[in-house]
Amino acid sequence: SQQGEEDPQALSIQEGENATMNCSYKTSINNLQWYRQNSGRGLVHLILIRSNEREKHSGRLRVTLDTSKKSSSLLITASRAADTASYFCATDASGGSNYKLTFGKGTLLTVNP
Amino acid sequence: DAGVIQSPRHEVTEMGQEVTLRCKPISGHNSLFWYRQTMMRGLELLIYFNNNVPIDDSGMPEDRFSAKMPNASFSTLKIQPSEPRDSAVYFCASSLPGELFFGEGSRLTVL
Repeated sequence: SQQGEEDPQALSIQEGENATMNCSYKTSINNLQWYRQNSGRGLVHLILIRSNEREKHSGRLRVTLDTSKKSSSLLITASRAADTASYFCATDASGGSNYKLTFGKGTLLTVNP
Repeated sequence: DAGVIQSPRHEVTEMGQEVTLRCKPISGHNSLFWYRQTMMRGLELLIYFNNNVPIDDSGMPEDRFSAKMPNASFSTLKIQPSEPRDSAVYFCASSLPGELFFGEGSRLTVL
């Protein structure tokens, strides 16, 4: 079963706008990661946030984590056409195997020039 | 570093044929994963190796699937016999703690 579920399934915005994607999960986690996948390519790691962290930044990316709500959000600021991709959250369940990442089905982001 | 290298990138075969997918992980990464991605089921972990030893193969769908890692720089995923429902993109990934590095995937189509 999917641990992480992204919302929305698809998002279309204009270049320069911000894009927010959400991820909900079901069980306690050690950390949560976000990955990006361009069409026809492999997934690329973007950022990891640990369960004791609430917010993390990397360039134009901002990730938040609310463990009480079992949810995370990924914000991409000042989006560019090159940000068009699918974005996945992946969770590393606490108390379980520390190698086993469970991926959601992703949010397809389209940034229109 | 060239990253994780997978071959072939595309494979079209007929039902009943044997399929072998290959992976070269990043040097120095001691964990290797095989994932399968489909529209219906998303990304599923098939098998995980650590230091060339299979640790968890609970995601392997059935006995038609097998995976080996004879050394730290090479792994194979074999499907024999293949079926149309095996059509998917198969990814290999190697890892550092907290980060997976994916290959570009092998797109398998079984007719």
